[in-house]
Amino acid sequence: ETGVTQTPRHLVMGMTNKKSLKCEQHLGHNAMYWYKQSAKKPLELMFVYSLEERVENNSVPSRFSPECPNSSHLFLHLHTLQPEDSALYLCASSQDVAGPPGAQYFGPGTRLLVL
Amino acid sequence: SQQGEEDPQALSIQEGENATMNCSYKTSINNLQWYRQNSGRGLVHLILIRSNEREKHSGRLRVTLDTSKKSSSLLITASRAADTASYFCATDDRNNYKLTFGKGTLLTVNP
Repeated sequence: ETGVTQTPRHLVMGMTNKKSLKCEQHLGHNAMYWYKQSAKKPLELMFVYSLEERVENNSVPSRFSPECPNSSHLFLHLHTLQPEDSALYLCASSQDVAGPPGAQYFGPGTRLLVL
Repeated sequence: SQQGEEDPQALSIQEGENATMNCSYKTSINNLQWYRQNSGRGLVHLILIRSNEREKHSGRLRVTLDTSKKSSSLLITASRAADTASYFCATDDRNNYKLTFGKGTLLTVNP
């Protein structure tokens, strides 16, 4: 788990708050991902970045705004969230997005509760 | 549409027994991967099997792939209490670099 770190690990926010989730990978990978994991649902891919360029935006509401300043860091900016956005948000990285997907390395996640 | 789907949804066994989990998928794939997730934590990559492989081993793990049936199985031999976790299969799409995960099998290994 130390290859990909996420902060904070837990976050409680009101619907009018603005907060950011941070992810950092120490594996020298070129691709980074945000996933949402809700109870009883499969892991949902939200965003994919390859070499700091967004290559996928999986129909995610605009209240989620990703930022990738360099290949090691990924942020997810949150604003005016809804209670149904409460979930575990997972960051992952992989070598790259070219060709068939290889192994993805996940961080420990941020448990988000929106009140 | 959901690509990988695990079966059973939950499995409870005694320490020392073998655990078998299955995954079915719908479209042609390049490879299939298995991941483990301990409660409330991130996923850990276990093994990747390519579409031209039929079986792969890693320690106590054995994965099989049957592309004609679009199914895979994960066998954990001589299970331990520490193997208690959710196990997910993930498949790609031949035309796409994305991974699609199933809902997982919750494995409980009782001491």
